[in-house]
Amino acid sequence: EAGVTQFPSHSVIEKGQTVTLRCDPISGHDNLYWYRRVMGKEIKFLLHFVKESKQDESGMPNNRFLAERTGGTYSTLKVQPAELEDSGVYFCASSQDWQGEQYFGPGTRLTVT
Amino acid sequence: GEDVEQSLFLSVREGDSSVINCTYTDSSSTYLYWYKQEPGAGLQLLTYIFSNMDMKQDQRLTVLLNKKDKHLSLRIADTQTGDSAIYFCAESIQGYQKVTFGTGTKLQVIP
Repeated sequence: EAGVTQFPSHSVIEKGQTVTLRCDPISGHDNLYWYRRVMGKEIKFLLHFVKESKQDESGMPNNRFLAERTGGTYSTLKVQPAELEDSGVYFCASSQDWQGEQYFGPGTRLTVT
Repeated sequence: GEDVEQSLFLSVREGDSSVINCTYTDSSSTYLYWYKQEPGAGLQLLTYIFSNMDMKQDQRLTVLLNKKDKHLSLRIADTQTGDSAIYFCAESIQGYQKVTFGTGTKLQVIP
């Protein structure tokens, strides 16, 4: 069974540009989460989808970040316009039910120059 | 508020025991986790403990929880070079799905 996959693995963009990160959860997992680790600091929660609905988006830093999960399958996280402080590793995780173990993807390393 | 703290780096010799420590601030934490991240890989759940337990053992791993002091530790017996990774302490509150992570401890195993 395939695990959580994320694309791209690494993205380098200039300040002010737009980047879209993609996450494909494990098939059948209704719950999808986004986290990010900035500059070697702690990994912080961004938001949680249940199917296509946003269950909790309390961790989204500002309105430059837009997450979608149309159809309740894969999810995208768009950063527009990107700022230097957005650099970090963005992790996606999925779980079968709301109390289940979260399985993490390898992360997307975003570098904003 | 939620805050999870851990030391950034630990170096041990192969065959020795490793102890990685973590403190958390949220007294309502129900689940406490240890995740492992190997280079280029995602986070792998190693083990977890409920807040009403004080110890859990799983092969070479021993988790100790001191709820009074809000202190969690992970002991790895007979540490191997394959244990070299970043270890994240994390916590969550029952009914809430967001997991709060620490900064991670980079474990270096010297052959």
